[in-house]
Amino acid sequence: AQKITQTQPGMFVQEKEAVTLDCTYDTSDPSYGLFWYKQPSSGEMIFLIYQGSYDQQNATEGRYSLNFQKARKSANLVISASQLGDSAMYFCAMRESQTGANNLFFGTGTRLTVIP
Amino acid sequence: GAVVSQHPSRVICKSGTSVKIECRSLDFQATTMFWYRQFPKKSLMLMATSNEGSKATYEQGVEKDKFLINHASLTLSTLTVTSAHPEDSSFYICSARDYRDFSETQYFGPGTRLLVL
Repeated sequence: AQKITQTQPGMFVQEKEAVTLDCTYDTSDPSYGLFWYKQPSSGEMIFLIYQGSYDQQNATEGRYSLNFQKARKSANLVISASQLGDSAMYFCAMRESQTGANNLFFGTGTRLTVIP
Repeated sequence: GAVVSQHPSRVICKSGTSVKIECRSLDFQATTMFWYRQFPKKSLMLMATSNEGSKATYEQGVEKDKFLINHASLTLSTLTVTSAHPEDSSFYICSARDYRDFSETQYFGPGTRLLVL
């Protein structure tokens, strides 16, 4: 089974509007971490936001917020006030503690296009 | 924030030659670094986990004699693609984890595009 599922291959959003990128995960590990990364066309992977499985509050970092719904196993990324520079691939990832190596499992990504 | 550099950013080589890619954590110490490969329009595929001072742990299906990894210091890991072939052409990207960071966030380098002719 896929550990991370991103069901939206592509999304469009009008500049200055908010957009939600979906991510669901699958794990039996009680302790895990969820991450979102942005990959522009240049290829670098830019860390955006982190949510720990035991965190009570949803994570926020500037215009990025993570809508963490533990019972549903979802960790959607919300980008507010979209900017043209937000156009990129976005990857959701999970780290499980019980694997020991702490490697990340990535989703297939969502390509976001911000329309002027 | 944590900065990871990778060198070279782009390399073209002839089939049969070896290519070395360096990954450095610039402002933190990384006991663990990771090497990924990414095909066009695809997600990242973990190749191996590199631990400072010990042998790398390779993922299933990744040839350790083909992709040599050395993690000689807390700030440097290298990936050497030996006897490169055209099918090794890909985007290789490393990440590093600051051992002091409780979230264990991986910070990525800018990647290396390898083209084998």
